[in-house]
Amino acid sequence: DIQMTQSPSSLPASVGDRVTITCRASQSISSYLNWYQQKPGKAPKLLIYAASSLQSGVPSRFSGSGSGTDFTLTISSLQPEDFATYYCQQTYSTPWTFGQGTKVEIK
Amino acid sequence: EVQLLESGGGLVQPGGSLRLSCAASGFTFSTYAMSWVRQAPGKGLEWVSGISGTGGSTYYADSVKGRFTISRDNSKNMMYLQMNSLRAEHTAVYYCAKAGVGVADGNFDYWGQGTLVTVSS
Repeated sequence: DIQMTQSPSSLPASVGDRVTITCRASQSISSYLNWYQQKPGKAPKLLIYAASSLQSGVPSRFSGSGSGTDFTLTISSLQPEDFATYYCQQTYSTPWTFGQGTKVEIK
Repeated sequence: EVQLLESGGGLVQPGGSLRLSCAASGFTFSTYAMSWVRQAPGKGLEWVSGISGTGGSTYYADSVKGRFTISRDNSKNMMYLQMNSLRAEHTAVYYCAKAGVGVADGNFDYWGQGTLVTVSS
């Protein structure tokens, strides 16, 4: 199975900050990488697919980059509604696996 | 509007069985692969099982292979997860998820609200 490792696990930040979350795959996954946002008690929401494509309706302050084994999710200017947990997910091969999550919390 | 509504969760004793259902609406159901994804209390996301649009191909995480069975009824716009020989570690919120964007069937663009399965005596 492909292991996905996110860093950091927790990220204290303030409104307006530029935030970067990293995801590393245990083997090359080309660009088969998605990012999801999850708020407490809610289902995850797809933000970015294929490493850098913005899902319809997602604000442009979210962006993704990377290929192969190293990927990043960037929030250019953190908004109050962005405090949540973020997960990366590989879809290169089944079982599709998720990272352990990064909780973006108020500093 | 795409809607996914899970049902069938609840409290079950270890060794018991449960069948989860996912009712889909707002899209051409048979066109899209679907999956079940779970989240244990306070933990991260774990993909459990997936099924192609026709139902002809199914996929499972190793942790549930031989114990869970995924199926769908395209005439009813329904997906199911039959869970047998349940153990405490199967306790989780189970989400129904629709694949859709891009080429990978694991790109989940819509999710249900989840149904809680609790395995306990």
